[in-house]
Amino acid sequence: DQQVKQNSPSLSVQEGRISILNCDYTNSMFDYFLWYKKYPAEGPTFLISISSIKDKNEDGRFTVFLNKSAKHLSLHIVPSQPGDSAVYFCAREASGSARQLTFGSGTQLTVLP
Amino acid sequence: DAGITQSPRHKVTETGTPVTLRCHQTENHRYMYWYRQDPGHGLRLIHYSYGVKDTDKGEVSDGYSVSRSKTEDFLLTLESATSSQTSVYFCAISDGGSGNTIYFGEGSWLTVV
Repeated sequence: DQQVKQNSPSLSVQEGRISILNCDYTNSMFDYFLWYKKYPAEGPTFLISISSIKDKNEDGRFTVFLNKSAKHLSLHIVPSQPGDSAVYFCAREASGSARQLTFGSGTQLTVLP
Repeated sequence: DAGITQSPRHKVTETGTPVTLRCHQTENHRYMYWYRQDPGHGLRLIHYSYGVKDTDKGEVSDGYSVSRSKTEDFLLTLESATSSQTSVYFCAISDGGSGNTIYFGEGSWLTVV
């Protein structure tokens, strides 16, 4: 029962353009969704989170949108930079779960110069 | 960067031997976690701890045990390593506040031959 799904294993965009990474989920019992970025041979790094009571959260070049009716969230990166090339994971934090995270399988983003 | 140290960072071991991975934190966070990352699966929770001597199972706990005798240390033990436990293992820490950052260590690469 995969509760968090990232259907695109890879995405390539040109530098300066928008990157949109998508994530779908299968139930609604959660407090937060979090996005992590991971470079090879390093641990995941927290990017941004969104509460279940919000539709949007923004932090600099990163914006996360939550569509509760469609059970879908997306991460927008504008403008994309070559240093953004990494694997991006969405993760769900369930209510009352001691902050256990359920991760999607990740999307490899490549930003082309 | 959060003060998380994983050891060893790389290890090759033989099938059937015991292996212990150590996670050490200097942040005095209450919660500690062990995840494994495998291709196509993102990160999956093995075990977590919500205090000294308080631990619980995660999604993929079979074949693993943990111990936490001090706030700063969380040990993951493979009692008898198998080839299916070849993976990258990440420790994570959290202060417990929902939506707050959960910090990850740099990972321990384990190969069971």
